[in-house]
Amino acid sequence: GQNIDQPTEMTATEGAIVQINCTYQTSGFNGLFWYQQHAGEAPTFLSYNVLDGLEEKGRFSSFLSRSKGYSYLLLKELQMKDSASYLCAVMDSNYQLIWGAGTKLIIKP
Amino acid sequence: DGGITQSPKYLFRKEGQNVTLSCEQNLNHDAMYWYRQDPGQGLRLIYYSQIVNDFQKGDIAEGYSVSREKKESFPLTVTSAQKNPTAFYLCASSGPRDTGELFFGEGSRLTVL
Repeated sequence: GQNIDQPTEMTATEGAIVQINCTYQTSGFNGLFWYQQHAGEAPTFLSYNVLDGLEEKGRFSSFLSRSKGYSYLLLKELQMKDSASYLCAVMDSNYQLIWGAGTKLIIKP
Repeated sequence: DGGITQSPKYLFRKEGQNVTLSCEQNLNHDAMYWYRQDPGQGLRLIYYSQIVNDFQKGDIAEGYSVSREKKESFPLTVTSAQKNPTAFYLCASSGPRDTGELFFGEGSRLTVL
């Protein structure tokens, strides 16, 4: 079966760095996405990785290793507004998105 | 501005009633999707449509129905056959497959009384 695993909840301190991991087992691979979702709101797109390596976008970076079925989202200089759930999703061979359950990130002052 | 509009944002339903959630997009996207989100679970696909007048069942289609008569519109009906309909429903659309990014509406929270 297809499976996406990510930690349920993480806590970090304002101004610090946090890394959210995602491991996947899917039928084929056509890219991995990270979305941010604030409570009660719709997910918003953060990043897309289809090749191995690190993609940097401001305070956020996303890394992919296809051979290991692994990705992480790195958030630097954490701000209180970064408190949200972070969803990992993989596009399979049929171009369908398989979603992880999300990681709830709690930022403390 | 281009985007996806879902309505209503909050909806209450009595058991045995059908309800229809609206989803409209002006992004000129061909593909549209309906997802259900429950606490502690990933997004689960209910139905999707790649083109007008065609749609496909997702992983949890039982108790739901859709139509795609216009490119801009993809309404979802939650029927009385859906045993546990209380959830957060998200509509999304996407452009060409190779970009893959989904654009979401604000969501509709359905509560069955």
